[in-house]
Amino acid sequence: DAMVIQNPRYQVTQFGKPVTLSCSQTLNHNVMYWYQQKSSQAPKLLFHYYDKDFNNEADTPDNFQSRRPNTSFCFLDIRSPGLGDAAMYLCATSRNKGSNEKLFFGSGTQLSVL
Amino acid sequence: DAKTTQPNSMESNEEEPVHLPCNHSTISGTDYIHWYRQLPSQGPEYVIHGLTSNVNNRMASLAIAEDRKSSTLILHRATLRDAAVYYCILSSNNDMRFGAGTRLTVKP
Repeated sequence: DAMVIQNPRYQVTQFGKPVTLSCSQTLNHNVMYWYQQKSSQAPKLLFHYYDKDFNNEADTPDNFQSRRPNTSFCFLDIRSPGLGDAAMYLCATSRNKGSNEKLFFGSGTQLSVL
Repeated sequence: DAKTTQPNSMESNEEEPVHLPCNHSTISGTDYIHWYRQLPSQGPEYVIHGLTSNVNNRMASLAIAEDRKSSTLILHRATLRDAAVYYCILSSNNDMRFGAGTRLTVKP
């Protein structure tokens, strides 16, 4: 059974049109992450939530925002998608923060920008 | 940030062991060494992790050098389903930043 669920699997949006990607988890984990993975590249961490505390990576563009209304759900909002934002977006969770903790990933949402 | 260095690609024959190396010469004392793999069109999947001692689980073994500046992921018998990109990551306070990874090809 899927424990980190991302919907939709594929998302198409238009240049400049806001889009929201969703992630839910059944693990009751405290930490949720969003990664961006462009074609043939490694996943790149955008930001993460530790409970309600938001932690943004220094080089994440302002165009990317996130919301975590409760433990189970986390959203990635792209305010004005550009062609360069086309990528796979991966959600991950971990039980807590700590270098001994494992990450659990969803299957990702493939975003296309037309 | 601590970084890892891995070969871009490796090949293996089916049912033979595979040793995937990783160098992490700037590792700090509290960094754990994690390995994840990513099959085509899927999210990364946890494989194994360790701090100082060698580790074994049902998927693989992790051999960590005594000075911790390198490690090796060992797949004991590669199958076609093990073809993936394997990422070696140093985890510091759970900041998981992926390096480029090694693309493993398994030949029948």
